[in-house]
Amino acid sequence: QVQLVQSGAEVRKPGASVKVSCTASGYTFNRHLIMWVRQAPGQGLECMGVTNPGGPYTTFAPRFQGRVSVTRDTSTTTLFLELSSLTFEDTAFYYCARFSGDSYSFDYWGQGTRVTVSS
Amino acid sequence: EIVVTQSPGTLSLSPGERATLSCRASQSVSSSYLAWYQQKPGQAPRLLIHGASNRAAGVPDRFSGTGSATEFTLIISSLEPEDSATYYCQQYGSSLYIFGQGTKLDI
Repeated sequence: QVQLVQSGAEVRKPGASVKVSCTASGYTFNRHLIMWVRQAPGQGLECMGVTNPGGPYTTFAPRFQGRVSVTRDTSTTTLFLELSSLTFEDTAFYYCARFSGDSYSFDYWGQGTRVTVSS
Repeated sequence: EIVVTQSPGTLSLSPGERATLSCRASQSVSSSYLAWYQQKPGQAPRLLIHGASNRAAGVPDRFSGTGSATEFTLIISSLEPEDSATYYCQQYGSSLYIFGQGTKLDI
């Protein structure tokens, strides 16, 4: 069955970087885009970017460009979202989600990774 | 840039009642890319409706979606207590996917 499993919670200081992993299984990895979504405490969902795992190539939302990147472990089906120059406003849950070309929507989601930025 | 606006922000209804949630886009969008998600506290979002009106696998038939162009609606025909959640619509624009701000439904 399709699964997206994310790495565990992280705590970082302001100015540091954090790396969140998303490991996919149960489908052909390169055939489905992955969306990265951020949800600050008590807030809504925000699309940070969309990754084509084949590259990986990512289109990022303008407000994140310059301090976010996505890499891939080529020996596995794992993507890594790295966010640098963290501020308190980066405290949030981060989700990865799989795009379905059949439904043009995101049909499977990771469980989320909580990132806390605290001094 | 497309802006997606949901209303109302909060909706309080009783079991058995009908819920109508609205999603408006700032410009005409493709129905193919209009999706609705349900999110319960402490959980990841769950796909409910895709292509504006198609229920995802396993979604009860009390959930339905309609609309086109700039106006879309999610209807829950007879509310169950487990429908308490926040509902988000999502549209595609400029190579990214844009969420509305959500409607919190309290049963």
